[in-house]
Amino acid sequence: AQTVTQSQPEMSVQEAETVTLSCTYDTSESNYYLFWYKQPPSRQMILVIRQEAYKQQNATENRFSVNFQKAAKSFSLKISDSQLGDTAMYFCAFKGVDQGGKLIFGQGTELSVKP
Amino acid sequence: NAGVTQTPKFQVLKTGQSMTLQCAQDMNHEYMSWYRQDPGMGLRLIHYSVGAGITDQGEVPNGYNVSRSTTEDFPLRLLSAAPSQTSVYFCASSYRGRNTEAFFGQGTRLTVV
Repeated sequence: AQTVTQSQPEMSVQEAETVTLSCTYDTSESNYYLFWYKQPPSRQMILVIRQEAYKQQNATENRFSVNFQKAAKSFSLKISDSQLGDTAMYFCAFKGVDQGGKLIFGQGTELSVKP
Repeated sequence: NAGVTQTPKFQVLKTGQSMTLQCAQDMNHEYMSWYRQDPGMGLRLIHYSVGAGITDQGEVPNGYNVSRSTTEDFPLRLLSAAPSQTSVYFCASSYRGRNTEAFFGQGTRLTVV
């Protein structure tokens, strides 16, 4: 069975600085998909970035980028130029191929951006 | 375009009561899922469906029933509520394609007393 682990329950960063959130996973599959979701206090789940395992290039979305290390089964999220609106819970998620859209989530990291 | 709509947003139940959490999507997504979110545990899959008439169990299915009679709707039924079912519940939907984004409802905060 696949598992996803986020070992940092809480993190904080100063506004305009860079922060990295860690995520490791375990799977025996060779192809899969990885996601980072953001959950602000409104409770809404918002997709931040996604990565396909067979693509070696790290995904980037504006200030958000990932460091995908397939051999190490690591998928960290880097937030550059942190903004107050980045304050939220962040979840790492795994999706296998042809598994009915099921997502396996990590425990979450609560990020606080301080002015 | 409403996306994924969950009702109610908040609910308090007494132990032993039953209720149905409603979920509807207007994006013609094949896949729908229900998750529960508990502190320190992330989101865990309760039940999921790959299409009308097809459902299957996830990681934590006990105490919950689902059915999918139409593509749009995927209700979650609590048969006899227990305090352990106090949680935030999310419904999600996505297209059948492999690298597709899951869209989530706003969540239902359920308290069982």
